[in-house]
Amino acid sequence: EAGVAQSPRYKIIEKRQSVAFWCNPISGHATLYWYQQILGQGPKLLIQFQNNGVVDDSQLPKDRFSAERLKGVDSTLKIQPAKLEDSAVYLCASSPRDSANYGYTFGSGTRLTVV
Amino acid sequence: TQLLEQSPQFLSIQEGENLTVYCNSSSVFSSLQWYRQEPGEGPVLLVTVVTGGEVKKLKRLTFQFGDARKDSSLHITAAQPGDTGLYLCAGGVYSSASKIIFGSGTRLSIRP
Repeated sequence: EAGVAQSPRYKIIEKRQSVAFWCNPISGHATLYWYQQILGQGPKLLIQFQNNGVVDDSQLPKDRFSAERLKGVDSTLKIQPAKLEDSAVYLCASSPRDSANYGYTFGSGTRLTVV
Repeated sequence: TQLLEQSPQFLSIQEGENLTVYCNSSSVFSSLQWYRQEPGEGPVLLVTVVTGGEVKKLKRLTFQFGDARKDSSLHITAAQPGDTGLYLCAGGVYSSASKIIFGSGTRLSIRP
């Protein structure tokens, strides 16, 4: 089975510019997550989708971050405008059901550098 | 706020040695997962434990969930260079069926 696909793999932008990341989850996985992983730390949940609805976005900085999951499949995460502290790896994950017991499958991530 | 603390943060040992990594919290979790992450890749699920006191073995790796469901340990026997990586524990949050929170990780290096 194909894994979680993310693009681009790397992105370098200047502060105050905008950037978008794309994620295609495993086919049939209803739940999709975006995580932010700053160097030296564990991943932090930004937003969780169940099909195309938002389940949890309590840690998403909504003044600059937005995300959508149209038709309950692909998802995009956008940052506008970017700040230096947004430099991190952005990971997308999916799971087959709305339960932590099934574990998550992660993509390879997008490494963002803001200069 | 639920937090998971991992120790040690860094560990460098010789091939063939044994090691244990710990994951602790003051909160109770519905489940506990362990992931391994290699540079430039996303975390890969190793195991999920859901019952207090549960022990699972995966070849040379032994995972245990604490009786009170607040802590977990990962023991590696006869470590090999291929075990090198970042080990992350993650706890299932009771208030949300599918949400997990991650610890800060243990970076393991096995010297040949």
